[in-house]
Amino acid sequence: DTGVSQNPRHKITKRGQNVTFRCDPISEHNRLYWYRQTLGQGPEFLTYFQNEAQLEKSRLLSDRFSAERPKGSFSTLEIQRTEQGDSAMYLCASTGGQPDTQYFGPGTRLTVL
Amino acid sequence: AQKVTQAQTEISVVEKEDVTLDCVYETRDTTYYLFWYKQPPSGELVFLIRRNSFDEQNEISGRYSWNFQKSTSSFNFTITASQVVDSAVYFCALMTTDSWGKLQFGAGTQVVVTP
Repeated sequence: DTGVSQNPRHKITKRGQNVTFRCDPISEHNRLYWYRQTLGQGPEFLTYFQNEAQLEKSRLLSDRFSAERPKGSFSTLEIQRTEQGDSAMYLCASTGGQPDTQYFGPGTRLTVL
Repeated sequence: AQKVTQAQTEISVVEKEDVTLDCVYETRDTTYYLFWYKQPPSGELVFLIRRNSFDEQNEISGRYSWNFQKSTSSFNFTITASQVVDSAVYFCALMTTDSWGKLQFGAGTQVVVTP
């Protein structure tokens, strides 16, 4: 069984551009989480899906952020009109059910110039 | 509100020394889960252990051991006979039953093991 995968691993963009990240969870995991981690801090929760339904969004998720999980499998996280403050590591995790353990992907490191 | 405090920002040890990482948590829930994750320089968070609030038994896994004490709201982690490969950032995290399974992480403790 393969682990959680994320693409791309690194993304450098200019301020104002849109970016999209992809997360492929462990197969048959119905819950998927997105976290953001800035330098020297622990990951912070962004949003959560159970199957294709987005059940909770953090206050950190401004209206420039949108996440989808259209078929209950992979998920995408899009940031529109990127700002320098969006520079961070974006982590995806999946689990088979609460309170099961969350398994994390390698993350996508975003740098906004 | 939930909170996890890892007061130690960085710990430096020489190989073969023991190192203990502190984790203090706050929650009003009676049912909750505590986790430790390791984040090596590659960046991926690696799961180490999960403990629920009803199980205060300490656990040992190889060179790793965990001490859970509800009376002091602490879940400390000890690496015995540290090795260079243990160099990483270690995160303690809390999950409560009303939080949709989301993890509340501490700020992490950087462990540096030198030969």
